[in-house]
Parts: sequence; C-alpha cells; structure tokens
Amino acid sequence: GAVVSQHPSRVICKSGTSVKIECRSLDFQATTMFWYRQFPKQSLMLMATSNEGSKATYEQGVEKDKFLINHASLTLSTLTVTSAHPEDSSFYICSARMAGGIGETQYFGPGTRLLVL
Amino acid sequence: GESVGLHLPTLSVQEGDNSIINCAYSNSASDYFIWYKQESGKGPQFIIDIRSNMDKRQGQRVTVLLNKTVKHLSLQIAATQPGDSAVYFCAENIRGSARQLTFGSGTQLTVLP
Repeated sequence: GAVVSQHPSRVICKSGTSVKIECRSLDFQATTMFWYRQFPKQSLMLMATSNEGSKATYEQGVEKDKFLINHASLTLSTLTVTSAHPEDSSFYICSARMAGGIGETQYFGPGTRLLVL
Repeated sequence: GESVGLHLPTLSVQEGDNSIINCAYSNSASDYFIWYKQESGKGPQFIIDIRSNMDKRQGQRVTVLLNKTVKHLSLQIAATQPGDSAVYFCAENIRGSARQLTFGSGTQLTVLP
C-alpha cells in the first residue's frame, strides 16, 4: 500500500518550453502533496505544499509563477515548470500524505529527472 | 543552485556487520521523526518512524533510537546486506509546521562484500 507514482520519469526539453510532471497516489487519497527538488549528492529541498482544492503554499525563494502546482483531486497533483531553463535541470520528487492519517508520514514517488537543454 | 563539490557523509561496512547511521536535529519542537532510504535515481523509501514520546522503536532488521536530551537520532541496521547500500535521510516534523518534513543532509551507506 501507499504507492505514489510520477510521470514522466525522465524528460529532456529545450530551453523556453514548459514541462508538466504528474504525481498520483495510486491506492490512497492524499489531501496534501509535497513537491521537492533534489540536486546531485544533496538532500531534498521542499518547494511547495499542495492541498487539494486550494492554492499551493510555496517555500521562500520558489517562484510560484514559474513552478505552477495544481492539486485538482485527492489522487493527483501536477507541477508545471514554465519556460524552463538549464538551471531548472534537477530531480523533482513528489510525496503524498494519506488523508485521515494520524501521522505525518509522507510517501514518495520515484522522481522525475528533468534536463533542460 | 547546485553546490559543486558537496560530498555526503559516508559510511562503509562489511556485509553482515551492523550499521549505525546518525542524525542530529536542532529544533526541540520536533515531535516526529522518519528515516528514509534513497537508492540512486529513485525516490525516498520509508523505513521507520518514531514519535518524540518514545526513545526506541524496532522494525524488521532496523531500530531507531531517539535521544531528545542531545537532539540525536540514530538508525541501526542489523546484518547489513548489499541491498542496504543507499543514501539514508532522517526527517523531522516540527510541531505546528503544517506537517512538513525537514530533511537532514543524508549519509551514503556502502556495504562491502
């Protein structure tokens, strides 16, 4: 149980294009999903917290107009990197917290490797 | 941006030995802690968690110890296997922080044959 998927797993795009990454909780409902970014050999950096049916809360320094987050249902959140540039190349990971859960455990997706040329 | 030359702390152990991975946290308001395992190119995988009202919790081959006095958390892996090679992160939830997790820097565990 508690499986989270991400699509695509890997994407290469040209500078200036937009890329959408999907995060799905497959066997549970998630009222809250989180988006992280991870550079090589580094820890996870929280980008934003996404609550179903409301606007995402962005961490300081994360541009909300560049990283668009939509959490339209209890099983799906999307992250769109708009007008991507090479410095946006990174490993993007989502996580989901189970609705009605009593703990703060987050279950992570497999990650999406973004390379912007 | 990316920090060039940043290296994760590393731990190398012989297959079959026990591993101890340590984590220090700084916020005394943290009330929930999780250990995650991350293999190369994959997302973090939940290993074990512990609440601040406990000082020890055991799982299958893993034990988490919490010392609130010195704000220290450890993960013990018994009879370490090659499949345990990965980066291990501790994460803490700070009471009242909208249930967000703050991750430590991670430790690279390498199991030697």
